[in-house]
Amino acid sequence: DAGVTQSPTHLIKTRGQQVTLRCSPKSGHDTVSWYQQALGQGPQFIFQYYEEEERQRGNFPDRFSGHQFPNYSSELNVNALLLGDSALYLCASSPNYLTSYEQYFGPGTRLTVT
Amino acid sequence: LAKTTQPISMDSYEGQEVNITCSHNNIATNDYITWYQQFPSQGPRFIIQGYKTKVTNEVASLFIPADRKSSTLSLPRVSLSDTAVYYCLSWTPSGNTGKLIFGQGTTLQVKP
Repeated sequence: DAGVTQSPTHLIKTRGQQVTLRCSPKSGHDTVSWYQQALGQGPQFIFQYYEEEERQRGNFPDRFSGHQFPNYSSELNVNALLLGDSALYLCASSPNYLTSYEQYFGPGTRLTVT
Repeated sequence: LAKTTQPISMDSYEGQEVNITCSHNNIATNDYITWYQQFPSQGPRFIIQGYKTKVTNEVASLFIPADRKSSTLSLPRVSLSDTAVYYCLSWTPSGNTGKLIFGQGTTLQVKP
């Protein structure tokens, strides 16, 4: 049973560009959350998707947007990249939207903005 | 969600029991305490969750006293592979259920 998968593993972009990160949740999970983790810090919640809708959002600007597909996979889009967007982006899935305390995290996508 | 406070770092030796204490003075009545573990270059992994008293699983034990203002994660007989960052979080079963708020965590270094 595959766990949470993310692609790509690493990505290098230039300031001002746009990026799309992808996530496939663990089998049987229908809820996906995205987190940003800067070096030496804990993960910061970006948003959560359930039934193809954004259900919760953290303190991130509108440059960060997402999407969930009918097969529960998800994308994170970041527009107008800033140097400060360089971080590890983590996707997490959970089997039940209402009991999301146990989230299964993927290995992350390391984004470097130059 | 309640803010949690935990030590930045801890050192231990193989075979010892490690106790990591987390402070959550303003925890709400409905909040649960949840712990995650993160190895370098990996996503966090759920360890254990509790509300009050003691919870034990195959990995760890969690002690939460009656006033619930603190909690202690206990790792029995640690090995080098337990070197990781451990996060203490509060979680509420209503409202923002999917929003896990991570602090800086406790970096545990296990030495041979």
